Amino acid sequence: DAKTTQPNSMESNEEEPVHLPCNHSTISGTDYIHWYRQLPSQGPEYVIHGLTSNVNNRMASLAIAEDRKSSTLILHRATLRDAAVYYCIRGRRGAQKLVFGQGTRLTINP
Amino acid sequence: GAVVSQHPSRVICKSGTSVKIECRSLDFQATTMFWYRQFPKQSLMLMATSNEGSKATYEQGVEKDKFLINHASLTLSTLTVTSAHPEDSSFYICSARDQGGPSAEAFFGQGTRLTVV
Repeated sequence: DAKTTQPNSMESNEEEPVHLPCNHSTISGTDYIHWYRQLPSQGPEYVIHGLTSNVNNRMASLAIAEDRKSSTLILHRATLRDAAVYYCIRGRRGAQKLVFGQGTRLTINP
Repeated sequence: GAVVSQHPSRVICKSGTSVKIECRSLDFQATTMFWYRQFPKQSLMLMATSNEGSKATYEQGVEKDKFLINHASLTLSTLTVTSAHPEDSSFYICSARDQGGPSAEAFFGQGTRLTVV
């Protein structure tokens, strides 16, 4: 049971920012929030993860709500190569396995 | 960064035969690896956790005699689909994390597309 909720699909335009939401209302205090994405016919790839504070890396930013019950993955300037399914996953303390939910299929329009 | 490699990337086999898929961690040791299956337009479904030197842990509903997992070394796990049938046709993906803990990044293989005819 992934216990995260994401919209099934979203659409954006090239070179515009994209905000992908995720609800994880039952998250525990020690669970990390991971984001992975999967391009067509490939294995998933890591995007970003965080615990409490907002996080930035070269791919994206992760904004975590103060109550930690939701988070938002931010792609600052979408490109066509960002079209993928984005998965928000709870990283459980004491559990190495990652359980995937349905994810959000992101379409980028040229 | 760390890399996980899967082989083969595609395989077609006849119904009733067995197929072995390899998953290697190329630059780190993985005591634990994970096997997923993905049907078209669906998410990844965790099948089992592969444990180096011991038995795999299968998720509920996954037949352990059908999907044999061997993790004989710290860099190699294999998944054998035995007596394959067309309904076993799917995209199989392996994963490993190069360290323990809930914050560790997971690395995924490129996937193996199995078609049973």
